[in-house]
Amino acid sequence: DGGITQSPKYLFRKEGQNVTLSCEQNLNHDAMYWYRQDPGQGLRLIYYSQIVNDFQKGDIAEGYSVSREKKESFPLTVTSAQKNPTAFYLCASTRGGSSSGNTIYFGEGSWLTVV
Amino acid sequence: DQQVKQNSPSLSVQEGRISILNCDYTNSMFDYFLWYKKYPAEGPTFLISISSIKDKNEDGRFTVFLNKSAKHLSLHIVPSQPGDSAVYFCAAVNSGNTPLVFGKGTRLSVIA
Repeated sequence: DGGITQSPKYLFRKEGQNVTLSCEQNLNHDAMYWYRQDPGQGLRLIYYSQIVNDFQKGDIAEGYSVSREKKESFPLTVTSAQKNPTAFYLCASTRGGSSSGNTIYFGEGSWLTVV
Repeated sequence: DQQVKQNSPSLSVQEGRISILNCDYTNSMFDYFLWYKKYPAEGPTFLISISSIKDKNEDGRFTVFLNKSAKHLSLHIVPSQPGDSAVYFCAAVNSGNTPLVFGKGTRLSVIA
């Protein structure tokens, strides 16, 4: 079955540590996205990538890094510079850009908690 | 500055009645709008969409209405069912390779 797989589902991080969230899709989608959800904040865009080896910052990129070495993979690293990393992280993808007709599909999400 | 606004954080509706969720946007360049449904600890799932060339799109119990002059869209669910209880996100995009912009969501509770 085609889809987007995020791992791990739950992750605990100590302060000062970097952690990497995995996102893999087998939909042959060109564009991939990382969003963060906080209570009452909706979905905020962290980074996105429209083609391999290229990515752009979203609205809240500070403290995060990404790579897009393969079409199917778009890992997100939450660095120690991210001051408030505890959140629910969502990866998404779409065939082209998220324009008309290219509905965006989401993974199941990853909970990151700083302890 | 929020480009997509869902001003009602929550809504309670009785089972069988109509649920109306509202969304306003400020960017006149948006030309495609989507609604997503989200359960706790899960990724959002696509529900219904509408292009700016239309003013209505219907899919079963779900209908989305678009009023371009008012920069307003709404999602109607009728009849509402307990399984519809979730957070609903409105999203918008302008044509081209730009990411979706989401509202903050409205939590719908359908009471049996």
